[in-house]
Amino acid sequence: DIQMTQSPSSLSASVGDRVTITCRASQNINRYLNWYQQKAQKAPDLLIHDASTLQTGVPSRFSGSGSGTDFTLTISSLQPEDFGTYYCQQSYSTLVTFGGGTKVEIK
Amino acid sequence: VQLVESGGGLAQPGGSLRLTCAASGFAFTNYAMTWVRQTPTKGLEWVSTVSGTGESTYYAASVKGRFTISRDNSKKTLYLQMNSLRAEDTAVYYCAKASQDFYYYSMDAWGKGAAVTVSS
Repeated sequence: DIQMTQSPSSLSASVGDRVTITCRASQNINRYLNWYQQKAQKAPDLLIHDASTLQTGVPSRFSGSGSGTDFTLTISSLQPEDFGTYYCQQSYSTLVTFGGGTKVEIK
Repeated sequence: VQLVESGGGLAQPGGSLRLTCAASGFAFTNYAMTWVRQTPTKGLEWVSTVSGTGESTYYAASVKGRFTISRDNSKKTLYLQMNSLRAEDTAVYYCAKASQDFYYYSMDAWGKGAAVTVSS
């Protein structure tokens, strides 16, 4: 199976900060990398698909980049509603795998 | 798009449960469907995917041989038959719609989840 490693596992940042989350795949996954946001007791929501394409309705402060094995999710100016846990997920393999998650807290 | 899971609950180790996901608001047959589960300790774990026709299925190693995914396109319904349940299958199970059929997809709509507890 393809292993997905996210870092950091948690972070605390202030409103307005630029926040970066990284995701590394154990092998080349081209650009088949998706990002989700999950809030407590809720289902995940798709933020970005295919590494850098913003899902409809997602604010433009979110962006994704990368290809191959290294990927980044960036929030350009953190807002209070951006708290939650963020997950990456690869769909290169039919055996889908998720990263371990990054919990974002607002200072 | 609306996905509504049902069928969760308490099961004994070695027992069975069947989860159901009723779909609406999209052309069900055109998309693969997935089950994803979540525990507090293990985060999100993909469980299984079925193609739009139902002919192709894939399973995580942790459930292969015990769980069966299927769909009834006439009823726009997805199923997960869970047999030989173990304590480590305790989780919230989400039904999710794939963005396409059947490769390189994202999960662009999710149900609210069904809680499954395996305990004696």
